[in-house]
Amino acid sequence: GAVVSQHPSWVICKSGTSVKIECRSLDFQATTMFWYRQFPKQSLMLMATSNEGSKATYEQGVEKDKFLINHASLTLSTLTVTSAHPEDSSFYICSATDKNNQPQHFGDGTRLSIL
Amino acid sequence: AQTVTQSQPEMSVQEAETVTLSCTYDTSESDYYLFWYKQPPSRQMILVIRQEAYKQQNATENRFSVNFQKAAKSFSLKISDSQLGDAAMYFCAYRSGISNFGNEKLTFGTGTRLTIIP
Repeated sequence: GAVVSQHPSWVICKSGTSVKIECRSLDFQATTMFWYRQFPKQSLMLMATSNEGSKATYEQGVEKDKFLINHASLTLSTLTVTSAHPEDSSFYICSATDKNNQPQHFGDGTRLSIL
Repeated sequence: AQTVTQSQPEMSVQEAETVTLSCTYDTSESDYYLFWYKQPPSRQMILVIRQEAYKQQNATENRFSVNFQKAAKSFSLKISDSQLGDAAMYFCAYRSGISNFGNEKLTFGTGTRLTIIP
């Protein structure tokens, strides 16, 4: 089946640093990728949607300058949390789908802890 | 805007028994997809089952089946012969059937935590 790889799985860093999370589709071309944030014991909250080669569309309330999304190829999207602060600590998870509108396939998520 | 409601924050079932998880949704669209995803403690999101709204037949995947009532906008998940490995958070999700940029996004319910009692 379709595989989405997300890296790193866990990152701890100091407040003020920027953190980049990668999301790769390993065996299909991901025309659309999604980035979600999940707080403990809560559902997934969509942050942004991106198409390859286009600017991401952010959901209301998500700071685009804070959460930079790049979808430069059909197999790679990155989320950069800029100048991270403790309130940015969360579980971030990506998903991808192809042009055939197959179900979204999810990465394994990234646990981000900002000290 | 579409909404998805899961009214059962927690459910429990004896091993080998059957359990049904509820999901209702609200939409004005006639073409859409519905999904159940499972999230075990590892937090990996696993697709359990998918239903196309235009199909009247309920989807089934081995021990998992759905009861899709389009008029009532209800989409419940039935797990038969429950196993310890079924313990997880279960999320119901909606996706528009219109294939325009942005419409492929999923709208999730708040989830139901399923506990399997040995």
